[in-house]
Amino acid sequence: QVQLVQSGAEVKKPGASVKVSCKASGYTFTSYDINWVRQATGQGLEWMGWMNPYSGRTVYAPKFQDRVTMTRDTSVSTAYMEVSSLRSEDTAVYYCARGLTRVAALDYWGQGTLVTVSS
Amino acid sequence: DIQMTQSPASLSASVGDRVTITCRASQSISTYLNWYQQKPGKAPKLLMYTASTLQSGVPSRFSGSGSGTDFTLTISSLQPEDFATYYCQQSDSAPRTFGQGTKLEIK
Repeated sequence: QVQLVQSGAEVKKPGASVKVSCKASGYTFTSYDINWVRQATGQGLEWMGWMNPYSGRTVYAPKFQDRVTMTRDTSVSTAYMEVSSLRSEDTAVYYCARGLTRVAALDYWGQGTLVTVSS
Repeated sequence: DIQMTQSPASLSASVGDRVTITCRASQSISTYLNWYQQKPGKAPKLLMYTASTLQSGVPSRFSGSGSGTDFTLTISSLQPEDFATYYCQQSDSAPRTFGQGTKLEIK
């Protein structure tokens, strides 16, 4: 069965960076895009960007272009998302999600990783 | 960026009711419109993609329609497990924006 398992919760200080991992299993990792979506407490979903695990190509939402880096390690079927220069408003649950080919709908999601930014 | 606007923001309904949620895009997105259901503390779940294609395993009481800029998600007969927040998302172009959500509550 398809699973995306994310790394555990993080607490960071303002200005620091955080790197969240997303390990895929149950399918061919390089055959589907990985998207990242975040959700602040009590708020809606915010799409951050996607990565093609086969080529490594990335597309970021303009809001995150300067602070987010998406990478992957195909040998362990794992995607990573790093956010730098963290600020309090980055406190949120971060989700990875698999994108259906061609239609880009997000059919499987990780369990989410809470990142708390606090001094 | 394409803006996605959902209405209503919240909705109270009873078990057995038929409910419709609307999503409007700020420009044409053909049928690249997806719907998700999210329950508290859980990851979103894909219900529908390309506006009207039911994701595998989703009950047939859910249906979707629309193209261009106007879309609807309909639940034909609400069940207790359907009370949740619903989001639309466009996947026509990046950034693949979400609507602000519609919270469906029990009346």
